[in-house]
Amino acid sequence: DIQMTQSPSSLSASVGDRVTITCRTSQSISNYLNWYQQKPGKAPRLLISVASSLQSGVPSRFSGSGSGTDFTLTISSLQPEDFATYYCQQSYSTPWTFGQGTKVEIK
Amino acid sequence: EEQLVQSGAEVKKPGESLKISCKGSGYSFSTYWIGWVRHMPGKGPEWMGIIYPGDSDTKYSPSFQGQVTISADKSKNTVYLQWSSLKTSDTAMYYCARHRAIFAVVSIDLWGQGTPVTVSS
Repeated sequence: DIQMTQSPSSLSASVGDRVTITCRTSQSISNYLNWYQQKPGKAPRLLISVASSLQSGVPSRFSGSGSGTDFTLTISSLQPEDFATYYCQQSYSTPWTFGQGTKVEIK
Repeated sequence: EEQLVQSGAEVKKPGESLKISCKGSGYSFSTYWIGWVRHMPGKGPEWMGIIYPGDSDTKYSPSFQGQVTISADKSKNTVYLQWSSLKTSDTAMYYCARHRAIFAVVSIDLWGQGTPVTVSS
């Protein structure tokens, strides 16, 4: 199985901050990488697919980059509704695997 | 509106059987792969497997192969996840999830609301 390592596991930030979350894979996955947002008590929501393709309806302050083994999710200006847990997921080979999550909390 | 609606919360004892469901609506149900994802508190989600309702072609994660059964009834637009003998370690939230591919990259673009399963003696 491809291992996914996210960092940090949690972070505290203020509204308006720029936030960067990193996802590293145990082997190269090209751009077969997705990012999800999950709020408490809710199902995850797809934010970005193919490493950098923003989903319809997702605010442009979210962006993704990377290929191979190193990927980043950036929130350019954190908003109150962005406090949540974020997961990366690879779909290069089955079983498709997720990172352990990065919880973004209010400072 | 496209949606996946899952069956309600379950509380079971070890050794009991269970079948939970996921009903799709608002889109062509038989033409998308639907999978199941296990999510335990404090951990990352785990992909369990997927099924193509059109012909019931099924793929499992090795971690879940033989532990669960995924099935579908396309006449009812419903996918199922079942256990024949539950363990306390099966306690988790289970999501059904529609998979789609863009440029060959598969992602989950539609999720059910989740079914919490508690297994306790």
